[in-house]
Amino acid sequence: QLQLQESGPGLVKPSETLSLTCTVSGGSISSGSYYWGWIRQPPGKGLEWIGNIYYRGSTYYSPSLKSRLTVSVDTSKNQFSLKLSSVTAADTAVYYCARLLTGDRGWLDFWGQGALVIVSS
Amino acid sequence: SYELTQPLSVSVALGQTAKITCGGDNIGIKNVHWYQQQPGQAPVLVIYRDNKRPSGIPERFSGSNSGNTATLTISRAQAGDEADYYCQVWDSDSNTAFFGGGTKLTVL
Repeated sequence: QLQLQESGPGLVKPSETLSLTCTVSGGSISSGSYYWGWIRQPPGKGLEWIGNIYYRGSTYYSPSLKSRLTVSVDTSKNQFSLKLSSVTAADTAVYYCARLLTGDRGWLDFWGQGALVIVSS
Repeated sequence: SYELTQPLSVSVALGQTAKITCGGDNIGIKNVHWYQQQPGQAPVLVIYRDNKRPSGIPERFSGSNSGNTATLTISRAQAGDEADYYCQVWDSDSNTAFFGGGTKLTVL
């Protein structure tokens, strides 16, 4: 069974960079049928798509976050990562990593449990 | 950008049928996916590609999509179905995912 697990600091200071890693187990991140994505959920609010990466490195980013966002992949470690720069309190959220089917399919079939990141001084 | 509109809340009597809608411009030509999120937990895919159920999802969950509205239907609603439900599409032209705002289902 595929499993995804987010890891990273739970507290980030304003203006600094938020960094999270998602470790994939029970399957290869190098499968050609999937993107690997990040989604976030501010406390008490809905889901917001952040971006996806393909194992070969091509990325798709939310236009609203694109200027601050970097998503990368490390196939040797079966991991992908998120970096969001210049964070503010508005970036406080539970961050989920997930697997997304490629092409016109586009559904998220496996999710991590989520990691709460608080932006505060 | 592509906007998906869901009602904030839907109520259903125990054992009855709940319908949660997701509105979008010509959404009928897109693949719509639905997620259930219990409090404090990660979302779970309950319907993909408009009306397909992943393994392990009860037959009580079904979906439809036509025109400007996609609908998630939960038959014989149970107390355990109380959750937030989100619709989602992937726009292959912009390579962007969009989520609806979410609907809180209450089982009375």
